[in-house]
Amino acid sequence: GESVGLHLPTLSVQEGDNSIINCAYSNSASDYFIWYKQESGKGPQFIIDIRSNMDKRQGQRVTVLLNKTVKHLSLQIAATQPGDSAVYFCAENRMKTSYDKVIFGPGTSLSVIP
Amino acid sequence: NAGVMQNPRHLVRRRGQEARLRCSPMKGHSHVYWYRQLPEEGLKFMVYLQKENIIDESGMPKERFSAEFPKEGPSILRIQQVVRGDSAAYFCASSRQYEQYFGPGTRLTVT
Repeated sequence: GESVGLHLPTLSVQEGDNSIINCAYSNSASDYFIWYKQESGKGPQFIIDIRSNMDKRQGQRVTVLLNKTVKHLSLQIAATQPGDSAVYFCAENRMKTSYDKVIFGPGTSLSVIP
Repeated sequence: NAGVMQNPRHLVRRRGQEARLRCSPMKGHSHVYWYRQLPEEGLKFMVYLQKENIIDESGMPKERFSAEFPKEGPSILRIQQVVRGDSAAYFCASSRQYEQYFGPGTRLTVT
């Protein structure tokens, strides 16, 4: 079967601490992986992606790590802020000839404690 | 630039009625995707359309569900004879080529 799943459904962190959200995937044929943030009542918002030929990518306050050996993906958020409270989805993207097919995991809810 | 627009944002239907969900893609985007999200779950792909064509409907239930993206106007996801299990948030995304941008969703409640 194919799936993208998360280790932990909920995560609480103190404001200012770093957050790490983990994700496991089973299909090694994926072309790249994406992290989305979904705030309550809103659609998913792209955070960062990483191609399958990379093992690390950094953005503003976020870093994504990809370990293809164990099929594991993580999102690190530095100096977590209250505005980071949301559900985070990892997704795998299988680029077909003309479009992307995005497979979402079930999500991790991040709560930031002020 | 306006983002992906969806309407209505909230829709209540009784069992057996029809639900019509609309999605206007971002300007310049000709690819539209529909996803369904049940509470506490991730988004499940339903269908991918380009103008006047259904490209991939592998995630769409075989009965009661249909989608279109006409040459003019928004994309429509249509659910006939709704049942309680259809209650969910339905998200539309659009892209010019690869990166998908999501709309705010339509929350369908079937009573």
